[in-house]
Amino acid sequence: SQQGEEDPQALSIQEGENATMNCSYKTSINNLQWYRQNSGRGLVHLILIRSNEREKHSGRLRVTLDTSKKSSSLLITASRAADTASYFCATGGPWARGNDMRFGAGTRLTVKP
Amino acid sequence: KAGVTQTPRYLIKTRGQQVTLSCSPISGHRSVSWYQQTPGQGLQFLFEYFSETQRNKGNFPGRFSGRQFSNSRSEMNVSTLELGDSALYLCASSFRVLSYNSPLHFGNGTRLTVT
Repeated sequence: SQQGEEDPQALSIQEGENATMNCSYKTSINNLQWYRQNSGRGLVHLILIRSNEREKHSGRLRVTLDTSKKSSSLLITASRAADTASYFCATGGPWARGNDMRFGAGTRLTVKP
Repeated sequence: KAGVTQTPRYLIKTRGQQVTLSCSPISGHRSVSWYQQTPGQGLQFLFEYFSETQRNKGNFPGRFSGRQFSNSRSEMNVSTLELGDSALYLCASSFRVLSYNSPLHFGNGTRLTVT
């Protein structure tokens, strides 16, 4: 079952602009991760934020986590055409049935040159 | 380090047949998890293996099964294929068990088409 929901479903911006994607989830988590997927390929890990962290940076990426609101956001600054991809948030349990990773439906980002 | 390798890259099967997919994790990774990705259902967790033991299984019928060998390589099997099994099947490896603050490293997937 899916745990996270990304918002928006699709986002189109110009090169150089910032892109913000949001993720909401339903239950307690150990960590939240963001992944990128280029069409038809595997997912690439971008960043992991633990449940006791509020913000993390990696290059042009900034992730925030608000466990009280059960939400996270991914900000990509100074976007490039190569950032065009689908972005997924994934939450790590433990859940009642055991540990797994639950992915949201993804945000399709298009960066126009 | 070599990445996660999935074979084959593409498969075409007919209904009723069975299929076996293979995944070789990154060296030193003992957790291998499998996912089904479809346009309608998104990414769905299938199961995870750690040190040859299945730790958890997603909400899939018993036709979906897997195993892990002592070298951490994993196989996934789908029996009695249905049209709805057409999907991109992804495997991922990680150093620790799923959800314990360890990033997943994905292969490029096996595209299965059932006709």
